[in-house]
Amino acid sequence: EIVLTQSPATLSLSPGERATLSCRASQSVSSYLAWYQQKPGQAPRLLIYDASNRATGIPARFSGSGSGTDFTLTISSLEPEDFAVYYCQQRSNWPPAFAFGPGTKVDIK
Amino acid sequence: EVQLVESGGGLVQPGGSLRLSCAASGFTFSSYDMHWVRQATGKGLEWVSAIGTAGDTYYPGSVKGRFTISRENAKNSLYLQMNSLRAGDTAVYYCARDHGSGYIDYWGQGTLVTVSS
Repeated sequence: EIVLTQSPATLSLSPGERATLSCRASQSVSSYLAWYQQKPGQAPRLLIYDASNRATGIPARFSGSGSGTDFTLTISSLEPEDFAVYYCQQRSNWPPAFAFGPGTKVDIK
Repeated sequence: EVQLVESGGGLVQPGGSLRLSCAASGFTFSSYDMHWVRQATGKGLEWVSAIGTAGDTYYPGSVKGRFTISRENAKNSLYLQMNSLRAGDTAVYYCARDHGSGYIDYWGQGTLVTVSS
């Protein structure tokens, strides 16, 4: 079973700053990793898939990188609407397994 | 416009059963794998089950043998039959569409399941 860990648990930043979120897999997932954003009271939204591909309608300030076991989501300049919880998800052994990381909360400093 | 609308949540006693439904619209339902994902209050996302276009089903160990996912393509509907419910199953349950490659690109707004005596 592949386990995903995310760091930090909470990231406190100001609007306009750069956010760097990390996701680490317990074994290689190749590039089969996605990132989601979730705001309070809302369903998650797909941001990045296959490690670095932006989903439809996602602004260019969101970018993903990495392969194997180490991945990064970067938000180049935080907008007020970007303060949320971010989850990574792997699908390298899909089917049958499908797993999310525990999440990183980006809050306003 | 893709829409996923869950229903069937509510309060159920431990050991009880509940059936969730998801009405899909705005896309060719039969052509997509579908998922159920849950989230306990203040907690992270947990994948609960998935069903492929051919009816193949997948579950994590935490619900295998207790939950059953199914689909009815003629009605553009997804279901989750939940038996032997436990307090730990209390969560918002989301119906979700697979992007086509093991990621989720559309989510419903969720339905709350509370397991309590």
